[in-house]
Amino acid sequence: EAAVTQSPRNKVAVTGGKVTLSCNQTNNHNNMYWYRQDTGHGLRLIHYSYGAGSTEKGDIPDGYKASRPSQENFSLILELATPSQTSVYFCASGGTGGGSQNTLYFGAGTRLSVL
Amino acid sequence: QQKVQQSPESLTVSEGAMASLNCTFSDRSSDNFRWYRQHSGKGLEVLVSIFSDGEKEEGSFTAHLNRASLHVFLHIREPQPSDSALYLCAVMTNSAGNKLTFGIGTRVLVRP
Repeated sequence: EAAVTQSPRNKVAVTGGKVTLSCNQTNNHNNMYWYRQDTGHGLRLIHYSYGAGSTEKGDIPDGYKASRPSQENFSLILELATPSQTSVYFCASGGTGGGSQNTLYFGAGTRLSVL
Repeated sequence: QQKVQQSPESLTVSEGAMASLNCTFSDRSSDNFRWYRQHSGKGLEVLVSIFSDGEKEEGSFTAHLNRASLHVFLHIREPQPSDSALYLCAVMTNSAGNKLTFGIGTRVLVRP
């Protein structure tokens, strides 16, 4: 089964501070994604990537940057963290093509609290 | 933009009784549908994927897709208390960059 590892699992940050969430996948998937999950909103797409060096804006990119330095790694960066960014963040990876090839596999999540 | 809605918001069933969850989507060109399960405080586990109208069974989970009516259903056969979780419907349009759009979820509680 696909393996997606997120770090840290829990993070407490101060308002205005910089936060970096990391994600590593060992499945050689081209596509990687960052979602946040909030009560009443479900999972919402922040940024995604089609491969090393590429990043694309998702549905709610404001306040976030992303970096894909390699096939395996995809980071989410909060340059100036705000309390509204308190959430649970999920990273996912998936293949290209149709059908079952593009099943998204998710990490265990990072719980971020911005005080 | 794709809209995905799920109903009911929560569902309580007795152990062994069928549970049925509903998901509606807005984009008729959608061609890739998945149901995920999320136990409290955990990540997402894919249960069943379906890509054409009709039914797809994976273990005790059956997805039923009707694109004309913009519905995809999930039926859980003989649920156990361990099936108590948040169930998420996810819809993808392959031509739109393989992005998954999620519903808010249905919280299922299975009583012994």
